[in-house]
Amino acid sequence: AQSVTQLDSQVPVFEEAPVELRCNYSSSVSVYLFWYVQYPNQGLQLLLKYLSGSTLVESINGFEAEFNKSQTSFHLRKPSVHISDTAEYFCAVIWGGTSYGKLTFGQGTILTVHP
Amino acid sequence: DTAVSQTPKYLVTQMGNDKSIKCEQNLGHDTMYWYKQDSKKFLKIMFSYNNKELIINETVPNRFSPKSPDKAHLNLHINSLELGDSAVYFCASSHHNEQFFGPGTRLTVL
Repeated sequence: AQSVTQLDSQVPVFEEAPVELRCNYSSSVSVYLFWYVQYPNQGLQLLLKYLSGSTLVESINGFEAEFNKSQTSFHLRKPSVHISDTAEYFCAVIWGGTSYGKLTFGQGTILTVHP
Repeated sequence: DTAVSQTPKYLVTQMGNDKSIKCEQNLGHDTMYWYKQDSKKFLKIMFSYNNKELIINETVPNRFSPKSPDKAHLNLHINSLELGDSAVYFCASSHHNEQFFGPGTRLTVL
């Protein structure tokens, strides 16, 4: 079965340190890749996405992710985190590229930024 | 000008009751979804509708019945609620593979 694995359930870091949240998926067939962020007691917000084109995608608040087809990974990085980045981050995949494909989510990674 | 809205935000009810959650999107999208987030924060798709037609049904008990009166609305009715139904339910709509989520409905079954 197709699956998404987020290798770290919790990542604690200090403010202004770099961070990487890891995501691997099970199959290298046509995929669309996403990172969503969930702040406490809130819904999911799309952080960034890879649909096609450049394998490096960026968000407006400094996060970036790189699609690596050979390693079936889509790791999320930020060179310098802020306290406000504290949230849970979900990696998600649509396989097959259908126009109404279902999202399969990873287990989530809780990022906690300490002062 | 909320894009995807859900009502109610919180729902507390007794086992055995029947309840509904409503979802509306004003984005003009053709496809809508229901996801369940369990107590461990794991998110799983339940249903998807495209232009009022069911296209994804992920082994969800028959007690759960989605209804789409028009493409802007996708409601979820749950019969005979069980303790295990306690979760946060998220509605979403999509355009070109980008899904927009509602704020969620936290259902607690006592």
